[in-house]
Amino acid sequence: GENVEQHPSTLSVQEGDSAVIKCTYSDSASNYFPWYKQELGKGPQLIIDIRSNVGEKKDQRIAVTLNKTAKHFSLHITETQPEDSAVYFCAASLGGGSNYKLTFGKGTLLTVNP
Amino acid sequence: GAGVSQSPSNKVTEKGKDVELRCDPISGHTALYWYRQSLGQGLEFLIYFQGNSAPDKSGLPSDRFSAERTGGSVSTLTIQRTQQEDSAVYLCASSSFGTDYGYTFGSGTRLTVV
Repeated sequence: GENVEQHPSTLSVQEGDSAVIKCTYSDSASNYFPWYKQELGKGPQLIIDIRSNVGEKKDQRIAVTLNKTAKHFSLHITETQPEDSAVYFCAASLGGGSNYKLTFGKGTLLTVNP
Repeated sequence: GAGVSQSPSNKVTEKGKDVELRCDPISGHTALYWYRQSLGQGLEFLIYFQGNSAPDKSGLPSDRFSAERTGGSVSTLTIQRTQQEDSAVYLCASSSFGTDYGYTFGSGTRLTVV
């Protein structure tokens, strides 16, 4: 089955700096790659996703890039703010939409220091 | 409802007892998923329901775990003869078939087996 590796496990940045989280996946048939943000005591929340026919997608301060050849994708957060502090999870699935099981990475604890 | 609702939010049980965890998905969402999140770990897939299709139970860790979904809406995850290693946060998510919205997670049930 699919295996998703996520790095780093913890990341500490100064407010205003950029943060990058990287994931690799094993199944070349995977074609849907979402990112989730989980705040303490809450369920994960979808923040951005990308499909295999797109190399990059941007939404304000958040961007995701996908390299299908290398089987890796990355989350980029620019101009970080303290409220960006949370655990971030990458995931991969075989589905073209949202109706197949996702395989998650182990998460990255991002701390933005004011 | 407005979101995915899970109950109880916290459950402490004695080893060997049975527990039932409930999930109310977003109205109209045909897909429902259960995941388990252990401390410091990613999200582990347990089971997936899609409409009237047979559920994908491939992630259930043992035959002590079972789940059902009545009327295509509410789902119950049952753990029989609980063990200490069952302690985790159990997350439910739902999604709408044929859209790009991804999963919507509930806040989870924190299960502690003592």
